[in-house]
Amino acid sequence: GENVEQHPSTLSVQEGDSAVIKCTYSDSASNYFPWYKQELGKRPQLIIDIRSNVGEKKDQRIAVTLNKTAKHFSLHITETQPEDSAVYFCAAPNYGGSQGNLIFGKGTKLSVKP
Amino acid sequence: DAGVIQSPRHEVTEMGQEVTLRCKPISGHDYLFWYRQTMMRGLELLIYFNNNVPIDDSGMPEDRFSAKMPNASFSTLKIQPSEPRDSAVYFCASSLAVSSYEQYFGPGTRLTVT
Repeated sequence: GENVEQHPSTLSVQEGDSAVIKCTYSDSASNYFPWYKQELGKRPQLIIDIRSNVGEKKDQRIAVTLNKTAKHFSLHITETQPEDSAVYFCAAPNYGGSQGNLIFGKGTKLSVKP
Repeated sequence: DAGVIQSPRHEVTEMGQEVTLRCKPISGHDYLFWYRQTMMRGLELLIYFNNNVPIDDSGMPEDRFSAKMPNASFSTLKIQPSEPRDSAVYFCASSLAVSSYEQYFGPGTRLTVT
């Protein structure tokens, strides 16, 4: 089945700086890569996703890049703000198991210092 | 749409008691997932259903855990008997088959077993 590794586990940046979180996956058949944001005490929420037919996708201050050859994808947050502080999870489909479920990374706790 | 609905939001119970968590998926979604989240183990998939049928329950920790989905709008996760190590936040999520990997999470149930 799929294996997803996420780095770093914690990340601290100054407000206004950029933040980058990276994930690697093992199954070359994977074709969908979402990112979830979980604020303290809240539910994980889908913030952006990318499918394997594109290499980059942007939505305002966040972007996701995908390198299928190297089997890794990254979340980029520019001009970080205190409200970006949260735990971010990457995920990939578990084709090795039954279709429909995702394998999640362990999460990255991002702290944005004002 | 109201989103995924879970109840109760908080549950405190004594060891040995039966606990039942409830979930109503987003209308029209035909995949339903139960996750458990702890600091130590992160976000773990327990079981998921497609069209009310359990597809993969390999994440269910032991026989004390059971899940049902009697119809398209309701699912339960039951723990009997509960133990202190079951203390966690339990999330329910749902997705639509057409874009089956876009999962939407409920607010979670914080379970404390004393």
